[in-house]
Amino acid sequence: DAGVIQSPRHEVTEMGQEVTLRCKPISGHDYLFWYRQTMMRGLELLIYFNNNVPIDDSGMPEDRFSAKMPNASFSTLKIQPSEPRDSAVYFCASSLGPRRGNYGYTFGSGTRLTVV
Amino acid sequence: KNEVEQSPQNLTAQEGEFITINCSYSVGISALHWLQQHPGGGIVSLFMLSSGKKKHGRLIATINIQEKHSSLHITASHPRDSAVYICAVRFPGGGGADGLTFGKGTHLIIQP
Repeated sequence: DAGVIQSPRHEVTEMGQEVTLRCKPISGHDYLFWYRQTMMRGLELLIYFNNNVPIDDSGMPEDRFSAKMPNASFSTLKIQPSEPRDSAVYFCASSLGPRRGNYGYTFGSGTRLTVV
Repeated sequence: KNEVEQSPQNLTAQEGEFITINCSYSVGISALHWLQQHPGGGIVSLFMLSSGKKKHGRLIATINIQEKHSSLHITASHPRDSAVYICAVRFPGGGGADGLTFGKGTHLIIQP
């Protein structure tokens, strides 16, 4: 398996533009997580899905952020409009999930977003 | 609030030294992870623990459930071990319980 695949690896955009980050989880993993990493706050959970259904989005900073998982092999995290404070590394991770007794995670390589 | 505390924040040691990184958390957990993040930015899961001890090569992770504390040890440290080590826990309960809560990380530098 190629692991969790994220794209793009780097994104530089101007303030006010829409940004879409993409993630392909490991096949067969029931859970997909979006995390954000900044120098100030470290790693934080934004939202997670179980079987393509959003379970908890309480970590999403505001309405400018939205996430979807239209099928088991694809998820997007969208920021519209983007702001400089959104600059961070965004990680996607997938897991078989705790309810199958397996708490193991696999992380993608991350998308480094810079909003200027 | 469910919190995860790591210490030290920064650690510089000489090649060959025995390294210990500590993690404590505020309430009972379902699982604890030790993650490694290299300067390139990728995150690798080193261990997942819910009790006892695990060993992989020169790395050893232990957890004491009663004391709500875990340690990551590196024996015979090497410059390639230089990375940020992150402790992350899964707290039981509803709402976000399946996601991880992270410590701030320990920045380890091993000098030759």
